[in-house]
Amino acid sequence: DQQVKQNSPSLSVQEGRISILNCDYTNSMFDYFLWYKKYPAEGPTFLISISSIKDKNEDGRFTVFLNKSAKHLSLHIVPSQPGDSAVYFCAASADGGATNKLIFGTGTLLAVQP
Amino acid sequence: DTGVSQDPRHKITKRGQNVTFRCDPISEHNRLYWYRQTLGQGPEFLTYFQNEAQLEKSRLLSDRFSAERPKGSFSTLEIQRTEQGDSAMYLCASSHRTAYGYTFGSGTRLTVV
Repeated sequence: DQQVKQNSPSLSVQEGRISILNCDYTNSMFDYFLWYKKYPAEGPTFLISISSIKDKNEDGRFTVFLNKSAKHLSLHIVPSQPGDSAVYFCAASADGGATNKLIFGTGTLLAVQP
Repeated sequence: DTGVSQDPRHKITKRGQNVTFRCDPISEHNRLYWYRQTLGQGPEFLTYFQNEAQLEKSRLLSDRFSAERPKGSFSTLEIQRTEQGDSAMYLCASSHRTAYGYTFGSGTRLTVV
């Protein structure tokens, strides 16, 4: 049972344009959401997060939007840069911080073309 | 502190052998996690420690798997009688108690032949 779904395995974007990565979830108990970036041969790196009480969080070029009614979140990267090329994982937590155990999606491979 | 360190980076073993992996977390982090990632999937939670106490284990962690964090610092993950299905990337992460944004290590890639 895949509770966190990233339905686009890959995305290709031109440098300088916007990248939009999407994530859907099924568990209404999720209260915290995160995005991680992963380069080959490295572990995932934390990028940005959002609590379920918010609908937007911004950090530099990265913005995460949360639509609770649709059980959908998205990561916007503006402007996209070639160094952003990586696999992006959406993750969620449902235990209010008790363990901070995360459920991950399957990832989206972003390729930013120069 | 250079982050979360995992050793070895790669391990090839024959089916039926035992393997042990080590994780050294960021020194001031009291939470430590093990995840497993297979090809085309995201990381899957295996187990979690707060200090030296193992507080949660996934049903993915069969009785062939055991994890320890004896002094609340480094951790080991042992797999006994390895099977081909155990082939995966084993990721360790650490965090402060109140932080969701873990720091992951680079992982140990296990290949069972």
